[in-house]
Amino acid sequence: GQNIDQPTEMTATEGAIVQINCTYQTSGFNGLFWYQQHAGEAPTFLSYNVLDGLEEKGRFSSFLSRSKGYSYLLLKELQMKDSASYLCAVTDSNYQLIWGAGTKLIIKP
Amino acid sequence: NAGVTQTPKFRVLKTGQSMTLLCAQDMNHEYMYWYRQDPGMGLRLIHYSVGEGTTAKGEVPDGYNVSRLKKQNFLLGLESAAPSQTSVYFCASRQGQGEVNEQFFGPGTRLTVL
Repeated sequence: GQNIDQPTEMTATEGAIVQINCTYQTSGFNGLFWYQQHAGEAPTFLSYNVLDGLEEKGRFSSFLSRSKGYSYLLLKELQMKDSASYLCAVTDSNYQLIWGAGTKLIIKP
Repeated sequence: NAGVTQTPKFRVLKTGQSMTLLCAQDMNHEYMYWYRQDPGMGLRLIHYSVGEGTTAKGEVPDGYNVSRLKKQNFLLGLESAAPSQTSVYFCASRQGQGEVNEQFFGPGTRLTVL
């Protein structure tokens, strides 16, 4: 079966760094997405990785290891507005997105 | 550009009633999707469309029907609503065939079935 695992909830302090992990087992792989979803709102695109390595985009970075079926999202200089759920999703061999349940990130002052 | 829009934003139904959710996109995207999102679970694909006039079943299609008569619109129908269909419904669209590119989401419809 297809499976994506990520922690249910994480807590971090404003100004700190947090790493949200995602592991996956899917039928085929055509890339991994990270989305941000604030409470009561729609998911919005953060990053896309298809090759191994780190992609940096401002305060956010995303890493992929295809051999390990593993990715992480790194958020630096945390701000209160970063409080949200972070969704990991993998594109399978049929180009369908398989979604994780999301990680709720709580930022404390 | 409005992006992806959904109507209605909220709806309360009684068991057995029917309704149609409308999704519209103005980005000329080929692919459109309907998802449901329930607490503690990932987004689950109900139905999708790879182009005007085409539809296909996703992971959880039972109890739902869809139509894509125009490229910009994707309708989701519930013929006889059940309490298990209480959920938040998101429509999404993306461009490209065989390419991988991000999906753009509508604001969601919060449906309660009593």
